[in-house]
Amino acid sequence: DGGITQSPKYLFRKEGQNVTLSCEQNLNHDAMYWYRQDPGQGLRLIYYSQIVNDFQKGDIAEGYSVSREKKESFPLTVTSAQKNPTAFYLCASSFTSGGAGGTDTQYFGPGTRLTVL
Amino acid sequence: GQQVMQIPQYQHVQEGEDFTTYCNSSTTLSNIQWYKQRPGGHPVFLIQLVKSGEVKKQKRLTFQFGEAKKNSSLHITATQTTDVGTYFCAPNTGNQFYFGTGTSLTVIP
Repeated sequence: DGGITQSPKYLFRKEGQNVTLSCEQNLNHDAMYWYRQDPGQGLRLIYYSQIVNDFQKGDIAEGYSVSREKKESFPLTVTSAQKNPTAFYLCASSFTSGGAGGTDTQYFGPGTRLTVL
Repeated sequence: GQQVMQIPQYQHVQEGEDFTTYCNSSTTLSNIQWYKQRPGGHPVFLIQLVKSGEVKKQKRLTFQFGEAKKNSSLHITATQTTDVGTYFCAPNTGNQFYFGTGTSLTVIP
């Protein structure tokens, strides 16, 4: 099955700890994205990557870090510097490598719900 | 920067009533996409509009792109309980891709 997966579905973290969220796709997409969604809110872009070994900050990158060592994988680390990390995190991918989305459809993973205790 | 306003934020309708959500941009768009997110789920692509004045239909859903390519609407005719969810517009200026704040639709049986 082709698709985009995220793990874990639910994640609990103690304050002050770093945590890494996984995102894998087998769609052969060049571009990948991380979004944050707070209750009743829209999607805010954290980071995006147009190609392997390259990534760009989105609107709310502070307190987050990413890597793109493989085309299929785009893990997101929520660091202790992120002041309010409790949220729903969505990973997406698309074919395009032009800009933060271009005109291509974004395919979303099921999301990871992070709660900081 | 890009300003995207989506209204209304919430909408409750009786099953069978119509529903419309609007997306307005302060700048001219190259295209706009629409996504639906079911409660507890993730956004799923519905459609993309590219041309000025474009209208596209998917069964009971009608999507329009304004003549000036600065606004768009999604209209659902005779809502059903399966239409429940949040509808997001995703305008593209050609340089960057944004998501609107979404309209949360509740359908009362």
